[in-house]
Order: sequence, then structure tokens, then C-alpha cells
Amino acid sequence: QKEVEQNSGPLSVPEGAIASLNCTYSDRGSQSFFWYRQYSGKSPELIMFIYSNGDKEDGRFTAQLNKASQYVSLLIRDSQPSDSATYLCAVNVYVDSNYQLIWGAGTKLIIKP
Amino acid sequence: NAGVTQTPKFQVLKTGQSMTLQCAQDMNHNSMYWYRQDPGMGLRLIYYSASEGTTDKGEVPNGYNVSRLNKREFSLRLESAAPSQTSVYFCASSEGGDAQYFGPGTRLTVT
Repeated sequence: QKEVEQNSGPLSVPEGAIASLNCTYSDRGSQSFFWYRQYSGKSPELIMFIYSNGDKEDGRFTAQLNKASQYVSLLIRDSQPSDSATYLCAVNVYVDSNYQLIWGAGTKLIIKP
Repeated sequence: NAGVTQTPKFQVLKTGQSMTLQCAQDMNHNSMYWYRQDPGMGLRLIYYSASEGTTDKGEVPNGYNVSRLNKREFSLRLESAAPSQTSVYFCASSEGGDAQYFGPGTRLTVT
């Protein structure tokens, strides 16, 4: 069973601090890793993707990948109240001759002003 | 460039009624997906279509059928709705195993 695990939270972070969200996955063959943000009542929105070990930065967001340890993380610097949302981790796997994304259940992030 | 569109946005059905949820994408993606998301829960894959002309079951296919009408359109049909199918339904598209892009969702209530 291919799995993606996330802490459900809620994770409460003061405004201006760094929010750190973590995700572990079971399939060592996975090659692509994605972070989505989902506001309440809205659809998931892609915010970051990472394919290689190490860090990838995009504005206030940094994705970190460690394939040996099978975890991927998302750092949000200078957290804003507008960052309050559920963050979904997704990992691609090869199933039944097709690639699919396996989804974590999400971490609810609350940024406190 | 609308991305992924879904209709309807909201629907209320009585137990036993049928309906079809429509999805279309204009990103020329080969793969399309139907998910359901229950309150406080993650996404669960119902069916997917890796390419035009193919469909496959996902994690929770019972009670649903799909049609990949053409490369752009992928519909989800509930033949005899049950209260357990009350959920938010999302359609998504992607190019292979790359990032998926989501429609705005359909909020379905079955009474």
C-alpha cells in the first residue's frame, strides 16, 4: 500500500514566523513531489513542486526533499494570516501502468496575528 | 484560458435519483481524474482516465460511472444516489504523473 503521511494539525504559528510542514511517503520509486494549498470551501491549488534532493525556493516558500529518508517538507517564511489553509502533500507513484498522485490527508495551518 | 471547469457548482438530490457531473479542461492534458472530499478528510480518487479512450477505477469507484467523452471532457455519473455520496467532487487534469490542476468543485447533497 503506497502511502503519504502528514500531521493533521492544526499547526498554529505566529504571524511573521516560519511555518514548517512535513510529509513522509512510502514508495521509494517516487520521482515527483507536490505541495498544494486548500482554503476552506475551495479547490486545491498547486504552490510548489520538487523533483531533486535538496531545497527549492519560490518567494516565501521553500520545498525540501530528502529521498533517502523519504520525506518532503514545506517552509513558509514570514507567515501571513492569508497563509492559513490546509496544505496537501502529493507524491507520484506508478500504479497499473500509469502514474498517479497519492495524497496526504493535509495539515491545517493557522497563522495567528 | 479557463483551466478546469465543472458543472454544476451545487446540487441537491433525493435518494435514488441520478445525475451527471461534467468536467472540461482546456490545457490539452491527457489525464483526467475525479475525486471526492468529505468534510475534514483528504482526497479520494474515484476514477481516472490516463488518456482519451481509457478509464480506470480508483480507490472508491462503487456507485459511480465515468465517460471520457473526448480529450477535453470527463464526466462522472451517479446512477442511483445514496446519502453516503454526499460530498464535494473535484475534477482534475494533468500531463501524465505531473502536477494536477483542479476545477472549482461540485457540492452534492443527497437527502
